[in-house]
Amino acid sequence: GQNIDQPTEMTATEGAIVQINCTYQTSGFNGLFWYQQHAGEAPTFLSYNVLDGLEEKGRFSSFLSRSKGYSYLLLKELQMKDSASYLCAVGDDKIIFGKGTRLHILP
Amino acid sequence: DTGVSQNPRHKITKRGQNVTFRCDPISEHNRLYWYRQTLGQGPEFLTYFQNEAQLEKSRLLSDRFSAERPKGSFSTLEIQRTEQGDSAMYLCASSLRASGGVLGNEQFFGPGTRLTVL
Repeated sequence: GQNIDQPTEMTATEGAIVQINCTYQTSGFNGLFWYQQHAGEAPTFLSYNVLDGLEEKGRFSSFLSRSKGYSYLLLKELQMKDSASYLCAVGDDKIIFGKGTRLHILP
Repeated sequence: DTGVSQNPRHKITKRGQNVTFRCDPISEHNRLYWYRQTLGQGPEFLTYFQNEAQLEKSRLLSDRFSAERPKGSFSTLEIQRTEQGDSAMYLCASSLRASGGVLGNEQFFGPGTRLTVL
């Protein structure tokens, strides 16, 4: 079976940095994804990690530790438009999503 | 706009009726996925296709649900004898999976079909 845990909600201030953690337990592991989903919209791809370490892409970075079953998404220089749900997902052919973390950005 | 389209965008039906949704993936994508999402939850995997072959179907999916991708392009998801618990957003996603590829299977999602069963 597979289990993915991430915080339900987080709040941060515009311009700040926020880290969203994700832990997972899977029977097999191919890779870990992060998706962003604005309210009422479809998820959009942010990042994919298959090897341990940090992947940086502009203001967003994603980290993976396979031995610990742990990942985080780091968002820098937060903007109001970053208010959304952030979904951690594991798999490859079939992707299993966590419940998502709703991020609220305060001005 | 990711290039994946879904129709209809909204569907309201009465309990017991059958409904069918359509998904048109990005044209060169060989993989097509169906998910269901309810409020406050992440997308829940339902089934996926590689070309016209249905490779996996969730064990949570009852026999009332069926999906097809007859020509390896568009796909339909049918729900028979709808129940109020079927009310959800139904998402379609597509991806390009190269043979022997080791790269991530980035999925592009459509806007979804919101089903309300009265």
